[in-house]
Amino acid sequence: GDSVTQMEGPVTLSEEAFLTINCTYTATGYPSLFWYVQYPGEGLQLLLKATKADDKGSNKGFEATYRKETTSFHLEKGSVQVSDSAVYFCALSTGNQFYFGTGTSLTVIP
Amino acid sequence: ETGVTQTPRHLVMGMTNKKSLKCEQHLGHNAMYWYKQSAKKPLELMFVYNFKEQTENNSVPSRFSPECPNSSHLFLHLHTLQPEDSALYLCASSQAQGAGGNQPQHFGDGTRLSIL
Repeated sequence: GDSVTQMEGPVTLSEEAFLTINCTYTATGYPSLFWYVQYPGEGLQLLLKATKADDKGSNKGFEATYRKETTSFHLEKGSVQVSDSAVYFCALSTGNQFYFGTGTSLTVIP
Repeated sequence: ETGVTQTPRHLVMGMTNKKSLKCEQHLGHNAMYWYKQSAKKPLELMFVYNFKEQTENNSVPSRFSPECPNSSHLFLHLHTLQPEDSALYLCASSQAQGAGGNQPQHFGDGTRLSIL
């Protein structure tokens, strides 16, 4: 069945460090891929998305490229800030349902 | 600021109580979802409604009863819950998904439910 696997956390980085959160997927069709972010006490917010192979989603300095050959959608940011501390979820949708990863907690320290 | 509003934000109830969670979306979407989020577990899809019709029930126990009177409102009626039902319940909405599922879901801030 369709599924998403993302790297285990928690991840702790110093401010201005480079961030990578790995996400790989399994899907029978041609899914759309998403990254969501959840701040403490809030729901999930859409961070970025890509709907076809080689698309790059980007928002607020975060980027992810839809790689069909490696079935991956890794999240990257060149220089993290304390305000980026949150839980990040990778997700895919083939139209019938959304499948979410287990989430990766990121803490950025000054 | 979210276009999906959930009330109440927090709810404490005994196992014999009956309560309801409410979700309202102001985004003009026609699909709505209930999810359960528990610590250290993946997000669990509970129910899906498309154009007010239930299209997905992920083997949810009957003590959870959803209601969707129109495309903007979604309720989750609770009765005789168990301690393991304590969790964050998230509502989401989207445009109805076509092939490829490229419509993102928009989430509310959730109701934190505690069962005594």
